[in-house]
Amino acid sequence: QKEVEQNSGPLSVPEGAIASLNCTYSDRGSQSFFWYRQYSGKSPELIMFIYSNGDKEDGRFTAQLNKASQYVSLLIRDSQPSDSATYLCAVNIARGKLIFGQGTELSVKP
Amino acid sequence: DGGITQSPKYLFRKEGQNVTLSCEQNLNHDAMYWYRQDPGQGLRLIYYSQIVNDFQKGDIAEGYSVSREKKESFPLTVTSAQKNPTAFYLCASSWVAENAEQFFGPGTRLTVL
Repeated sequence: QKEVEQNSGPLSVPEGAIASLNCTYSDRGSQSFFWYRQYSGKSPELIMFIYSNGDKEDGRFTAQLNKASQYVSLLIRDSQPSDSATYLCAVNIARGKLIFGQGTELSVKP
Repeated sequence: DGGITQSPKYLFRKEGQNVTLSCEQNLNHDAMYWYRQDPGQGLRLIYYSQIVNDFQKGDIAEGYSVSREKKESFPLTVTSAQKNPTAFYLCASSWVAENAEQFFGPGTRLTVL
C-alpha cells in the first residue's frame, strides 16, 4: 500500500513567522510532488509542485524535496492569517494517479 | 473563462436512491478524475479517465459508476450499493503526462438522509 503521511496538526504559528509543513511518502519511484491549499468547505487549490531534489521558490512559498529520505516539505515565509487552511501533500505514483496525505491544518494567529 | 464546473453544489438523497453528479471542463484536458473526501481526511480516488470512452477504477470504486462519452464531461453516479455515500465529492482534470498537475472543480457535498 503506497502511502503519504502528514502531521494532521493543527500547526499554529504567529503572523510573520515561517510555517513548516512536512510530508513523507513510501513509493521510492515517485517523481512528482504537489502541495494543495484547501480552505474550509472549499476545493483544493494547487500552490506548488516540485520534481527535482532541492528547493523551489515561488513568492513566499518554498517547496523542498529530498528523494533519498522520501521527504517533501513546504515552507511559508511571512505567514499571514489568510494562509490559515489545510495543506494537502500529493504524490504521483503512476501516470495520472496521485495519492494524497490527510492534510495539515495551519492556523496563523494575528 | 476556462475551468471546471460541478453541479449541484449541495445534494440530498434518500437511502436507496441513485444520484448523478455532474462534472464539466473547458480546459481541453484529456484526463478527468473523481475523488471523495471525508471530514479530516485526504482525497481518495474513485474513478479516472484518460481518454473518451475509457475509464479505470480507483481505490474506492465500489458503489460508484462513471461514463466518459465526451471529452468535456465525466459524470459520477452514486448508486444505492454505496454503503456510506455522505461525503464531499471533487472532480479534477489534467493533461495526460507523467508529471501533470491536477486542477479541481468546486465540489459537490452529498448528504444521505
